[in-house]
Amino acid sequence: EAQVTQNPRYLITVTGKKLTVTCSQNMNHEYMSWYRQDPGLGLRQIYYSMNVEVTDKGDVPEGYKVSRKEKRNFPLILESPSPNQTSLYFCASSTSGQGSRDTQYFGPGTRLTVL
Amino acid sequence: GDSVTQMEGPVTLSEEAFLTINCTYTATGYPSLFWYVQYPGEGLQLLLKATKADDKGSNKGFEATYRKETTSFHLEKGSVQVSDSAVYFCALASGSARQLTFGSGTQLTVLP
Repeated sequence: EAQVTQNPRYLITVTGKKLTVTCSQNMNHEYMSWYRQDPGLGLRQIYYSMNVEVTDKGDVPEGYKVSRKEKRNFPLILESPSPNQTSLYFCASSTSGQGSRDTQYFGPGTRLTVL
Repeated sequence: GDSVTQMEGPVTLSEEAFLTINCTYTATGYPSLFWYVQYPGEGLQLLLKATKADDKGSNKGFEATYRKETTSFHLEKGSVQVSDSAVYFCALASGSARQLTFGSGTQLTVLP
């Protein structure tokens, strides 16, 4: 089944404790991206990747890191989480060539709480 | 930069009522426009899209027309069902195809 998977789905952590949220897709998509969803703000793009080893900042990259060493994986890293990073996070992917203009396939979301 | 302004919710309708959710945008170049839907507890999924001016996207009875002259992409459905209850997001993909900009979302509740 074609899908985007995220792990963990739920995470409660404490300020300053490094964490990684994994994202994997099995559709051979080149474009991948991370969003955070906050009430009243919709989804805001954190980072995106047009292809392997190519990543770039979205609208709200502060406090986050990403890597794209393989086409299928795009982990989101919070080196020192803070309470303002408490949010619902979504990973998405789409086919090559058209990047964000293509249909985005979203993962199920990761709800992160930073105490 | 690019931006999307979406009708604020929540919106509550009775079954079989007509639905309009307004969406306007600001962008340079020739963006692609989308409506995504989020059902409770799930990720977003594409509802419909339009890639150039005057295109009409349609799916599951929903429609939206890309109006360049009014920079709008309003979502409509002639007769909503309880199963349409969800959060609807208008989105814009920039001309460079690198970023996707979302509106704030509109919560729709349809009552039987």
